[in-house]
Amino acid sequence: SQQGEEDPQALSIQEGENATMNCSYKTSINNLQWYRQNSGRGLVHLILIRSNEREKHSGRLRVTLDTSKKSSSLLITASRAADTASYFCATYTNAGKSTFGDGTTLTVKP
Amino acid sequence: GAVVSQHPSRVICKSGTSVKIECRSLDFQATTMFWYRQFPKQSLMLMATSNEGSKATYEQGVEKDKFLINHASLTLSTLTVTSAHPEDSSFYICSARRANTNTGELFFGEGSRLTVL
Repeated sequence: SQQGEEDPQALSIQEGENATMNCSYKTSINNLQWYRQNSGRGLVHLILIRSNEREKHSGRLRVTLDTSKKSSSLLITASRAADTASYFCATYTNAGKSTFGDGTTLTVKP
Repeated sequence: GAVVSQHPSRVICKSGTSVKIECRSLDFQATTMFWYRQFPKQSLMLMATSNEGSKATYEQGVEKDKFLINHASLTLSTLTVTSAHPEDSSFYICSARRANTNTGELFFGEGSRLTVL
């Protein structure tokens, strides 16, 4: 299986609820990034967490990183219909390689 | 912010023709650009890494004679799908890494949807 597996594959919630997505990876990393992709569009960088960081916040986004478990989570609080998109984690290694996860498709119902 | 422009956003062509897709970094220099292919509801599949002034590095299974990549300047990389066939129909996305940075942050184009009839 490829580095950067995400779960769940799909998530459907009501507006106002929180959404949590998880990402697991296999090798050592320099940092881990989360990206968002609206349907039929390119990816947009959301947040980066370095390997020596455990938690990071940006607006309604909260990212955690557990390097011992090789996992990360993205929490979107107080979700909005406009948050509907696919979310991808991407690991970045010291060798300069980026690897994307399979993605989580989030649907926020108004 | 860093902006990457990808053109065309949509292209329809006949089988056997070649199609060129451009990826430009508008407000920064990009020594490295990446080309991906994305199938519906799937993740990005890295096709090749494009380095300014040198030959592209292709991922295993990607035909370099089929997918020609040129990175002639620090702001422009092109992907040419040669002798396109219906199975080449897909969503192609480029990304660029800002020169002289080591965070690995990528800036993406908006993608190009290719339909080969």
